Amino acid sequence: GAVVSQHPSWVICKSGTSVKIECRSLDFQATTMFWYRQFPKQSLMLMATSNEGSKATYEQGVEKDKFLINHASLTLSTLTVTSAHPEDSSFYICSARVPGTGYTYEQYFGPGTRLTVT
Amino acid sequence: GQNIDQPTEMTATEGAIVQINCTYQTSGFNGLFWYQQHAGEAPTFLSYNVLDGLEEKGRFSSFLSRSKGYSYLLLKELQMKDSASYLCAVGSSNDYKLSFGAGTTVTVRA
Repeated sequence: GAVVSQHPSWVICKSGTSVKIECRSLDFQATTMFWYRQFPKQSLMLMATSNEGSKATYEQGVEKDKFLINHASLTLSTLTVTSAHPEDSSFYICSARVPGTGYTYEQYFGPGTRLTVT
Repeated sequence: GQNIDQPTEMTATEGAIVQINCTYQTSGFNGLFWYQQHAGEAPTFLSYNVLDGLEEKGRFSSFLSRSKGYSYLLLKELQMKDSASYLCAVGSSNDYKLSFGAGTTVTVRA
């Protein structure tokens, strides 16, 4: 089956620094990847849709200059949290859509990245 | 937009049955999905309904009524490993996005 990996699985950084999270589709090419954020005991909130070779589409209320997304290849999307603050501490999850499928459920989730900003 | 409601928590005994309800209001519907998520892990796909009716898959079944904006996930013969959060998600007909409910935490007790 389709496998999506994320790196790192957890990261601790100081306030004001930037952190990059990688999302890779290991055995398929993903033209579309999604980035979610999940706070404790809350649901997944879609942050942005990442399309290979074009600019990401951000959901309302998500700052595109703070959460930089780059989808430079068909197997890699990166999310960079710039000038991180403690309120950015969260569980970040990516998913990748298998191209050519008509159903939205053909999304495969990565294992998530736990970000803690001190 | 999407408005998705499901109960916050449910508790059941090992071997019992639990039904998790989900109601939704949507502007463009392309299927109702259920995911299981263990603490600190990513969601895993359980089921998908796009037509009315019941879909059975082993110990898990999912039901959909599009006219009522209602779905449920039925977990039978509960096992301890079923203790997890269960997320109801609605697919958008306009794009490939999923909108998630807040999740229902199911605790299975011996």
